[in-house]
Amino acid sequence: QAVLTQPSSLSASPGASASLTCTLRSGINVGTYRIYWYQQKPGSPPQYLLTCKSDSDNQQGSGVPSRFSGSKDASANAGILLISGLQSEDEADYYCMIWHSSAWVFGGGTKLTVL
Amino acid sequence: QVQLQESGPGLVKPSQTLSLTCTVSGGSISSGSYYWSWIRQPAGKGLEWIGRISTSGSTIYNPSLKSRVSISADTSKNQFSLKLSSVTAADTAVYYCARDDPPDDYSNYWGQGTLVTVSS
Repeated sequence: QAVLTQPSSLSASPGASASLTCTLRSGINVGTYRIYWYQQKPGSPPQYLLTCKSDSDNQQGSGVPSRFSGSKDASANAGILLISGLQSEDEADYYCMIWHSSAWVFGGGTKLTVL
Repeated sequence: QVQLQESGPGLVKPSQTLSLTCTVSGGSISSGSYYWSWIRQPAGKGLEWIGRISTSGSTIYNPSLKSRVSISADTSKNQFSLKLSSVTAADTAVYYCARDDPPDDYSNYWGQGTLVTVSS
């Protein structure tokens, strides 16, 4: 079982909100990890979005709009990236990441389609 | 602003060693509390962290690749390098170099990436 699991795709309408989940493997408690989020557009390297330390403690990347936010769902053992007021430019792949067992581990990524 | 640029052969034969260099501008790789990382991404797939080197020269590698990976730095050229031995087609990917920033040491600045194909 992968350390981090993300749905492969998600679709949402412009102006709506999208909730992207990153589920941690059983036995790895989301509460003890910082969840990092990246956005990647075709042909470009990933761009750091934010770090979710807790529901009330997010670190935003430089220049990242406030409509990107992070949270944790302890009951689901998952990190969540919430994008509000979706814009066409938000269409991209999104990756979560944690530092686990002395290595950076990425989720498989979610392709967000805005249509 | 720091900039990173990967370079190296775009084609490597199976069983040989893949060698890439990352040239850093806008900052010294030997100063500050940074790590310098390599990450790869097969076409149409997700990201895989390979490993990193600190400004003091200490390294840490992805356990899944550790037996084949070596990362080193040449401070005189402001470059750091990746060597991956015994490559197979599964090592075909876009390879990125990046700078990991404190305090959490996540990759904050990335190169544009370079495609390496493993094929005879």
